[in-house]
Amino acid sequence: SQKIEQNSEALNIQEGKTATLTCNYTNYSPAYLQWYRQDPGRGPVFLLLIRENEKEKRKERLKVTFDTTLKQSLFHITASQPADSATYLCALDGTGNQFYFGTGTSLTVIP
Amino acid sequence: NAGVTQTPKFRILKIGQSMTLQCTQDMNHNYMYWYRQDPGMGLKLIYYSVGAGITDKGEVPNGYNVSRSTTEDFPLRLELAAPSQTSVYFCASSFGPGNTEAFFGQGTRLTVV
Repeated sequence: SQKIEQNSEALNIQEGKTATLTCNYTNYSPAYLQWYRQDPGRGPVFLLLIRENEKEKRKERLKVTFDTTLKQSLFHITASQPADSATYLCALDGTGNQFYFGTGTSLTVIP
Repeated sequence: NAGVTQTPKFRILKIGQSMTLQCTQDMNHNYMYWYRQDPGMGLKLIYYSVGAGITDKGEVPNGYNVSRSTTEDFPLRLELAAPSQTSVYFCASSFGPGNTEAFFGQGTRLTVV
């Protein structure tokens, strides 16, 4: 099975700075990697998807990179805002049509 | 569109009781998933389905059962509830196993006492 690791420590940053979250995986390389946002008491909400042959993907203030050699994805939020405070989860496809999630990183943006 | 709908939102069970968590989606997705999320943890895959009549185990299937008689519905059955099954359960659906976004329900918070 796939093991997915994200920053276990909560991340606190000042408003306006860039937040960088890490997702590392072991074993085989996925064909796709996704990032989700989860607010307390709610289900995860999709943010971005990146394919194994893509190095980088952007959407507004969000940027995702995918390094299959390092087996790592980085998720960046530029010009962070207090409304960006949430838990961010990475997810990737596995063998046999499974879809796995990491443990998540809690981000707090301080005004 | 309603998306993915889960019922109930909250439930308290006594040890040894059984219950079914309901999940339905109206997006005609073939893939459906059940996850559990313990406090401060990520999502653990319980069961998944790639279409009506097809189900398979995920990472933590013990103590659970599922069925998929229609494309829309994917109920999760808990038999002989145990305190270890206290968790928040999420149902999700998608067109594919990782190449498209997954849509999640609002979750069911289950407490076994």
